[in-house]
Amino acid sequence: DAKTTQPNSMESNEEEPVHLPCNHSTISGTDYIHWYRQLPSQGPEYVIHGLTSNVNNRMASLAIAEDRKSSTLILHRATLRDAAVYYCILRDPYSGSARQLTFGSGTQLTVLP
Amino acid sequence: DAMVIQNPRYQVTQFGKPVTLSCSQTLNHNVMYWYQQKSSQAPKLLFHYYDKDFNNEADTPDNFQSRRPNTSFCFLDIRSPGLGDTAMYLCATSRAPLTGGYNEQFFGPGTRLTVL
Repeated sequence: DAKTTQPNSMESNEEEPVHLPCNHSTISGTDYIHWYRQLPSQGPEYVIHGLTSNVNNRMASLAIAEDRKSSTLILHRATLRDAAVYYCILRDPYSGSARQLTFGSGTQLTVLP
Repeated sequence: DAMVIQNPRYQVTQFGKPVTLSCSQTLNHNVMYWYQQKSSQAPKLLFHYYDKDFNNEADTPDNFQSRRPNTSFCFLDIRSPGLGDTAMYLCATSRAPLTGGYNEQFFGPGTRLTVL
C-alpha cells in the first residue's frame, strides 16, 4: 500500500477551522483517500473518503490536490469533541488487501478552549 | 442502535494464562476484524474473517487465534499472553467490500488488556 505522511500533532482554537494535511506522493490511480479519527479511549470512526473530487459530509470536507499527491481534511468549526488522532489512509479497492485498512501514525489534534 | 460491542472493556490476566476477548455485532456485516493497538501507536490488523473465511496477517504471532461461530460473534484467544501483549484490542466490522466501492469499518470501543 502507498504510504502517507502526516504531522505528528496540531493545535486549533475552538470554533475555528482546522486544516489537517496528508502527503501521499506515491498514490496510485486507483487508491482512495480515507480519513478516520480516534477519540480518546474509543475505537476509530470513519470521517470521510474520496478519489479525485473534493467531498463534503456532515463531519468534514476533504480537499484533494489536482495531482492527488496530497489532501487536506477540513473541520469547519472545531469543537472540544474533535480532539482526536486523525488518520489518513490509502486503500486500493481493486487490490488483494482491499478489505483492510493500514493505519499510519496519524495527527494528534488538540483543540484549545 | 446497531453497533459493535466488546466485552469485557478491561481485562487483567497473568503471564501465560489464556484469555479470550469477545466481540458481537448487530450490523449483520460479513467481515469482522481484530486489531491490536499498543500505547501511543496506530491500530495494527491481526486477522479478519470474511464470512467463515479466516485471513491471518503474515506477522501475527501464533499465540493469537480467532473463532467466529456465527455472523454476530467473533472471539480473540490469546493462548499464552506475554507482557508485550498488553494493549487495546479493537474489533471492527464492515459489509463485504464491493470491487471499486467502499464500505466503511465500524469499530467497537475496544478491550484494554493488561498482562501482569
